[in-house]
Amino acid sequence: SQTIHQWPATLVQPVGSPLSLECTVEGTSNPNLYWYRQAAGRGLQLLFYSVGIGQISSEVPQNLSASRPQDRQFILSSKKLLLSDSGFYLCAWSSGGNTIYFGEGSWLTVV
Amino acid sequence: AQKVTQAQTEISVVEKEDVTLDCVYETRDTTYYLFWYKQPPSGELVFLIRRNSFDEQNEISGRYSWNFQKSTSSFNFTITASQVVDSAVYFCALSEARSGYSTLTFGKGTMLLVSP
Repeated sequence: SQTIHQWPATLVQPVGSPLSLECTVEGTSNPNLYWYRQAAGRGLQLLFYSVGIGQISSEVPQNLSASRPQDRQFILSSKKLLLSDSGFYLCAWSSGGNTIYFGEGSWLTVV
Repeated sequence: AQKVTQAQTEISVVEKEDVTLDCVYETRDTTYYLFWYKQPPSGELVFLIRRNSFDEQNEISGRYSWNFQKSTSSFNFTITASQVVDSAVYFCALSEARSGYSTLTFGKGTMLLVSP
């Protein structure tokens, strides 16, 4: 069966520091991969999606970037964090155009 | 543009009560998928159900049931005989089918509190 795992689960980072959140999917090949953010107020916003290695699309302009160095690995990064980057980040995957499954999430607090 | 509205921000019930969570959506697509996800306090989004826009048959899974009505663009979720473990935030979402992948537009969620 397919599993998705992301880490770290919790992160407290000072303003201006870098960020790296990592996500891996097991049990499937060539998945579509996604990064969502859930800020205060509970709304979920799509940040990035990827349909293949090295193929990244951004949905909103922001201080973050994403990379997909391997088929089942998706990384969310920032060179300098802002206070507004705080939130709950969720990695997700899907096979083709079907159901999207989410990871456990990572809580980021920028102080 | 797609839009999902969950008008109920928070619902409180007592255990064993039935509760219905409302979801209204807007889309110009003729083919789309509707979803419900559960987010317990741990934060993980748990997939509950997916419905195809061509399939308006209602579905029941244990204490959960879903009522899809295309005429009113609604996809409501009912929990029968609620339990404390049902306490969570529930999200309705609409999938926009694109070539080779899809993305989700979420409602703002409904927080369900079930007290003993």
